[in-house]
Amino acid sequence: KNEVEQSPQNLTAQEGEFITINCSYSVGISALHWLQQHPGGGIVSLFMLSSGKKKHGRLIATINIQEKHSSLHITASHPRDSAVYICAALLSGGGADGLTFGKGTHLIIQP
Amino acid sequence: GAGVSQSPSNKVTEKGKDVELRCDPISGHTALYWYRQSLGQGLEFLIYFQGNSAPDKSGLPSDRFSAERTGGSVSTLTIQRTQQEDSAVYLCASSIRRTRNTSYEQYFGPGTRLTVT
Repeated sequence: KNEVEQSPQNLTAQEGEFITINCSYSVGISALHWLQQHPGGGIVSLFMLSSGKKKHGRLIATINIQEKHSSLHITASHPRDSAVYICAALLSGGGADGLTFGKGTHLIIQP
Repeated sequence: GAGVSQSPSNKVTEKGKDVELRCDPISGHTALYWYRQSLGQGLEFLIYFQGNSAPDKSGLPSDRFSAERTGGSVSTLTIQRTQQEDSAVYLCASSIRRTRNTSYEQYFGPGTRLTVT
């Protein structure tokens, strides 16, 4: 079982819809990252959080440490939001030195 | 300022040849990471440097893989006797620092697409 699980794997929505992508993890973490990967492969860091909630523009990320769960929300979605969204965790307590990744959510926003 | 750069952007090599991939981190970033993204697979962590030191090399897929970092800056990932299963995008990232239980934002390079024929 992967230590970081994402859902859904694929999501297609209409422009303007509210989008939620979920991430759950099974071990202790130091922080959780949300990354965006556009076609062509470039990866951009969207958020890094260890508690609570962060907002940047139309993007909101939340984390519940007790439930080992994080969500990424996109409000008023737009076709340019189409990308793969990846949840990644830095495992605590002697885990790997690098990020452990979820398998990604492929988001398509149709006009 | 300049972001993380990687070279080459694409590399096609014949099975059995050695390849060297290069990463230039953001200036002043002491932590450097190598990751791999295979076709149809997720991202996997390979190795991490704090300064010039790699505390744990167990994430490297086999002993054909090695990495070094000199001067606390440029890093090279070397794959010897390449195999077809080594075909992937190799990504480098850097962060301002890395402590045991504190995560800092990682900035990713554009990657090197390696194809082994």
